[in-house]
Amino acid sequence: GQSLEQPSEVTAVEGAIVQINCTYQTSGFYGLSWYQQHDGGAPTFLSYNALDGLEETGRFSSFLSRSDSYGYLLLQELQMKDSASYFCAREGGTASKLTFGTGTRLQVTL
Amino acid sequence: DADVTQTPRNRITKTGKRIMLECSQTKGHDRMYWYRQDPGLGLRLIYYSFDVKDINKGEISDGYSVSRQAQAKFSLSLESAIPNQTALYFCATSVSTGGAVGELFFGEGSRLTVL
Repeated sequence: GQSLEQPSEVTAVEGAIVQINCTYQTSGFYGLSWYQQHDGGAPTFLSYNALDGLEETGRFSSFLSRSDSYGYLLLQELQMKDSASYFCAREGGTASKLTFGTGTRLQVTL
Repeated sequence: DADVTQTPRNRITKTGKRIMLECSQTKGHDRMYWYRQDPGLGLRLIYYSFDVKDINKGEISDGYSVSRQAQAKFSLSLESAIPNQTALYFCATSVSTGGAVGELFFGEGSRLTVL
């Protein structure tokens, strides 16, 4: 089964800020990644956090708190093209591989 | 041209048929993966390979097999397809980075329908 929890849907207006949360199982945790997937497309990498704190890449930022087994993706100055599904993915276990969450569908409205 | 290429992109088949999905990459990455995506279930790992001689089962390997024919090629087979294997299949690659997975680069996906 899935070892990550994220909301299934989020709606926000264009120009706003939205935060997508992700909680994960602690056992064997190495790092947390975020991927974006538009309808009909392939997932594309957004960010990776191995240490606590905030990683910023343009309008997107990702945060990790290892003590809370929690991370989030922050999207600023939302644009219509940001409407997509966003997946957190946990790296861990006995081998280096990613386990994906079930995804959060973001709908950006006018 | 795509760096990670999957064939076929779409396939409709019947229960009991053998199906092979192929993946080739020009990125020179050593690691390759096969994921399955179902609505509401996200991406689930089927098999992964860290080099030509290394094949590992993922979380949902039953009913599937793989072959790493070369560093650049990783194929997924369904020996006897069943309807609940209807899904979108993604191949992905990454380069080893001191033990971490690193960024995954996905192919465009292969949509398989088993009737």
